[in-house]
Amino acid sequence: AQSVTQPDIHITVSEGASLELRCNYSYGATPYLFWYVQSPGQGLQLLLKYFSGDTLVQGIKGFEAEFKRSQSSFNLRKPSVHWSDAAEYFCAVGLDQTGANNLFFGTGTRLTVIP
Amino acid sequence: KAGVTQTPRYLIKTRGQQVTLSCSPISGHRSVSWYQQTPGQGLQFLFEYFSETQRNKGNFPGRFSGRQFSNSRSEMNVSTLELGDSALYLCASSSRAGGNTIYFGEGSWLTVV
Repeated sequence: AQSVTQPDIHITVSEGASLELRCNYSYGATPYLFWYVQSPGQGLQLLLKYFSGDTLVQGIKGFEAEFKRSQSSFNLRKPSVHWSDAAEYFCAVGLDQTGANNLFFGTGTRLTVIP
Repeated sequence: KAGVTQTPRYLIKTRGQQVTLSCSPISGHRSVSWYQQTPGQGLQFLFEYFSETQRNKGNFPGRFSGRQFSNSRSEMNVSTLELGDSALYLCASSSRAGGNTIYFGEGSWLTVV
């Protein structure tokens, strides 16, 4: 069965420091991979996605993620964190076996940014 | 163009009542899916509609239902509300079925008392 693991529940970084949020998935084929961000009381905003091709994908707000098939990972990175990046981050796997748009989400990583 | 629009944004219902939530997808999108978000269970897929047909359904009881209209707008209904149904209900749209970017709305906050 497919699953998504975000091993870090909460991460605290200093403003200006680099960031890496981990995501591992379990799925037999190559999945579609997404990172979403959610601010308190808000919906989900798409940061970036991987469908195929170049395994390093660029997203909005200076985020990037790298798909590593051998490690079943899709980690999110940002070289320099801003205070406005404080939010909850969700990794998600989309399956296209049946042409479906149902996503499986990780449990999320809450990011705190300290000045 | 406008994003995914959900109404109402906030509502309070009493146990045993029913509720209907509405979702207008991004213009041109024909796939609408629904998710429930709770602190305990996280984000869980409810169901997906494409061209007025339910294509997939998550593991939720029959009290949760939905439909999609010819203009791609969608509604979800929860009957006989339970306290555990209190959650953020998120609607998402995509231009086609499968393998495409999925955009979310702001959600409808449901509190059951």
